[in-house]
Amino acid sequence: DVQLTQSPSTLSASVGDRVTITCRASQNINDWLAWYQQKPGKAPKLLIQRASNLETGVPSRFIGSRSGTEFTLTISSLHPDDFATYYCHQYHTYWTFGQGTRVDIK
Amino acid sequence: QVQLVQSGAEVKKPGASVKLSCKASGYTFTSFGIHWVRQAPGQGLEWMGWLNSANGDTMFSQIFRGRVSLTRDTTASMAYMEMTSLRSEDTAVYYCVRDGNGGDWGQGTLVTVSS
Repeated sequence: DVQLTQSPSTLSASVGDRVTITCRASQNINDWLAWYQQKPGKAPKLLIQRASNLETGVPSRFIGSRSGTEFTLTISSLHPDDFATYYCHQYHTYWTFGQGTRVDIK
Repeated sequence: QVQLVQSGAEVKKPGASVKLSCKASGYTFTSFGIHWVRQAPGQGLEWMGWLNSANGDTMFSQIFRGRVSLTRDTTASMAYMEMTSLRSEDTAVYYCVRDGNGGDWGQGTLVTVSS
């Protein structure tokens, strides 16, 4: 099974900060990785698929990148609406999710 | 537009079974599989399994193999998830998700297992 190790588990930041979340896959998954944002009581919202492809309507401050088996979600300048929990998700072999990163207000 | 509408909340006793539904619309149901994902209170997302909507084939996470079955009714564009031998740890929100890029989720169904 493909394991995803996501870090950090919690991140405290302020509006305007640059935020980086990392997700490491236990084996090569090429670029079959997505990032989701989830707010309390809601289904996850797809932000990025194929490691770096922004979904339609998602602000360009969300940036996905890949280096080998390490994937990164960067929010270039945190907006008030961005305080949420973020998950990485591999869909190369079945599905797996990272443990999640909660971004809260410093 | 693509919509996945799930059945309502359930309360079950330990040892019981539950069967959830997921009604798809806005696309050809048999062209995309359906995944089921659950989320326990305050916890992360956990993939349960996948249903091939066209032929009924299934794949499961090892954790759920043998206790979960996934079925469909193609005439009604419905997918179903049935879980047996429920325990308190199965209390969670259960989501159906359209296969593909993972952008289409149902609204979730809360299943509460309590004596």
